[in-house]
Amino acid sequence: DQQVKQNSPSLSVQEGRISILNCDYTNSMFDYFLWYKKYPAEGPTFLISISSIKDKNEDGRFTVFLNKSAKHLSLHIVPSQPGDSAVYFCAARARDDKIIFGKGTRLHILP
Amino acid sequence: DAGVIQSPRHEVTEMGQEVTLRCKPISGHDYLFWYRQTMMRGLELLIYFNNNVPIDDSGMPEDRFSAKMPNASFSTLKIQPSEPRDSAVYFCASSFSWATYEQYFGPGTRLTVT
Repeated sequence: DQQVKQNSPSLSVQEGRISILNCDYTNSMFDYFLWYKKYPAEGPTFLISISSIKDKNEDGRFTVFLNKSAKHLSLHIVPSQPGDSAVYFCAARARDDKIIFGKGTRLHILP
Repeated sequence: DAGVIQSPRHEVTEMGQEVTLRCKPISGHDYLFWYRQTMMRGLELLIYFNNNVPIDDSGMPEDRFSAKMPNASFSTLKIQPSEPRDSAVYFCASSFSWATYEQYFGPGTRLTVT
């Protein structure tokens, strides 16, 4: 039973365009939602977070949107750059501090 | 700071052997997490510690798995005996208690059990 779902295993986007990665969740008790980025042979790296009481958080080229009624969040990367090619994990924190990860979306930025 | 340090980076062992994975968290972090990544199950939490005390080990798959944190700067994950289905990448991560959503991951240990 997946509490955090990333339905797109992969996504290809032209360099300079917007990348949109999507994520759905089932547990309404999550208090923080997160995005982690992972390069091959490295551990995941924290990218951006959003509290459950907000609907948008922006950090440079990265913006996360939260739609609580739809139990949906998305990560926007504008403009996309070659270094953004990686696997992106959506995650959520439960009240007991556990982080539940999605299975990831592989983003390919095309030249 | 050098970040979270894990050793070994790669481990190849035969079925039935004992395997010990090691982790040194970032100094000052009071939470430590062990994760396993597989193609089928993705990234799953095995166990986590707060101030060296195990808080939740419900993700540990079987009694063959055990984890310890004897002090704030060292933790081990042991598999005894190992089986081929334990083959995966094992990550250790640490964080501050006031921001457990912002975890710092080590580079991982790729375990292959033949």
